[in-house]
Amino acid sequence: DAGVIQSPRHEVTEMGQEVTLRCKPISGHNSLFWYRQTMMRGLELLIYFNNNVPIDDSGMPEDRFSAKMPNASFSTLKIQPSEPRDSAVYFCASSLGQQRLPQHFGDGTRLSIL
Amino acid sequence: AQSVTQLGSHVSVSEGALVLLRCNYSSSVPPYLFWYVQYPNQGLQLLLKYTSAATLVKGINGFEAEFKKSETSFHLTKPSAHMSDAAEYFCAVYQGGKLIFGQGTELSVKP
Repeated sequence: DAGVIQSPRHEVTEMGQEVTLRCKPISGHNSLFWYRQTMMRGLELLIYFNNNVPIDDSGMPEDRFSAKMPNASFSTLKIQPSEPRDSAVYFCASSLGQQRLPQHFGDGTRLSIL
Repeated sequence: AQSVTQLGSHVSVSEGALVLLRCNYSSSVPPYLFWYVQYPNQGLQLLLKYTSAATLVKGINGFEAEFKKSETSFHLTKPSAHMSDAAEYFCAVYQGGKLIFGQGTELSVKP
């Protein structure tokens, strides 16, 4: 079975550029989560969707970050403009059911902003 | 608000020795608790979960965890460490549709 698929796996770009991270959840899952992992702050939940609708975006750092889920099989996390402090590993996870457990994680996108 | 605290950011054991990774939680209601493992350059993989059934939970790769309400703990153990167990381990508590993760414990296994 295909797991959560994220692309790209690595992204290196210059400060000020727009960055788009992509996620394909496990087929049939109805909840999707975006996380950010850094050494300083650990694993932080940025936003999560249920049935393609954003439920909680309180973890989104600032207006430069936006996330969309146009359909059940695709989501994007966009950073515009990017800054060096956005460098991190970004994970997408998906789950099924009312309690949204357990969450299944993708392999992440390692983002470096120069 | 619920939270988890993992005691020890780094734990080192010898191959064949007991693995003990500590996790304490704070919760006003019976919690759902999880342990995840993260291998280098990979996402988090579910090891085991506690959802108010048996207090001793068995997971994959020989790991198990015991829920102790009196101690508000959910420590992860494995009787005999293997080199392939070297990874980062995260404890998490379920709250309001979200998982709240601890800071993680990096496990090193020495030959």
